[in-house]
Amino acid sequence: DAGITQSPRHKVTETGTPVTLRCHQTENHRYMYWYRQDPGHGLRLIHYSYGVKDTDKGEVSDGYSVSRSKTEDFLLTLESATSSQTSVYFCAISGESVEGSNQPQHFGDGTRLSIL
Amino acid sequence: GQNIDQPTEMTATEGAIVQINCTYQTSGFNGLFWYQQHAGEAPTFLSYNVLDGLEEKGRFSSFLSRSKGYSYLLLKELQMKDSASYLCAVNHNYGQNFVFGPGTRLSVLP
Repeated sequence: DAGITQSPRHKVTETGTPVTLRCHQTENHRYMYWYRQDPGHGLRLIHYSYGVKDTDKGEVSDGYSVSRSKTEDFLLTLESATSSQTSVYFCAISGESVEGSNQPQHFGDGTRLSIL
Repeated sequence: GQNIDQPTEMTATEGAIVQINCTYQTSGFNGLFWYQQHAGEAPTFLSYNVLDGLEEKGRFSSFLSRSKGYSYLLLKELQMKDSASYLCAVNHNYGQNFVFGPGTRLSVLP
């Protein structure tokens, strides 16, 4: 199994509080991603990173920020959590093949976040 | 933009064969990936295609036609444990990221 650890696995917090989710990898992969998964919407990309300090927005980035100061860690921050951000959050990693195309993504076990 | 379609739900019988279709519209296509996701768990990688044709991995095969924007996942000798959601994802050059379809929930009945 790919070495990906998400923390925390579960969190309940109140509206307006800041929340940070951590994704840690031991595979030295270049690409890291944060998704949210909600019923009826499937997996939606929040932000992704293509290297240390290199990040870009995904489909649903409003209200979220990310940081990647080391290859192995990718942090997702909700500056002021809202109830609409209640979801299951998945981190994923992928390497890069010799041909330059992406390798398949491997996912962490997810973080179940509830904003009350 | 990107648009990916899959059937929402499918039902099949244990021991049978089922084909799950995925159609997509995207620019800068760079590969199509299939994932399996059991309820309450993370997606796990099954198969991928970069070039046209069939890729076979045991009971699972995936087919791609880039000119038609079409792929399918074929599951043979269905088992009860194959009951799960199957996600189709397109990797495109822009941003080097993946766009996922809504997923197909497969129920395998005895």
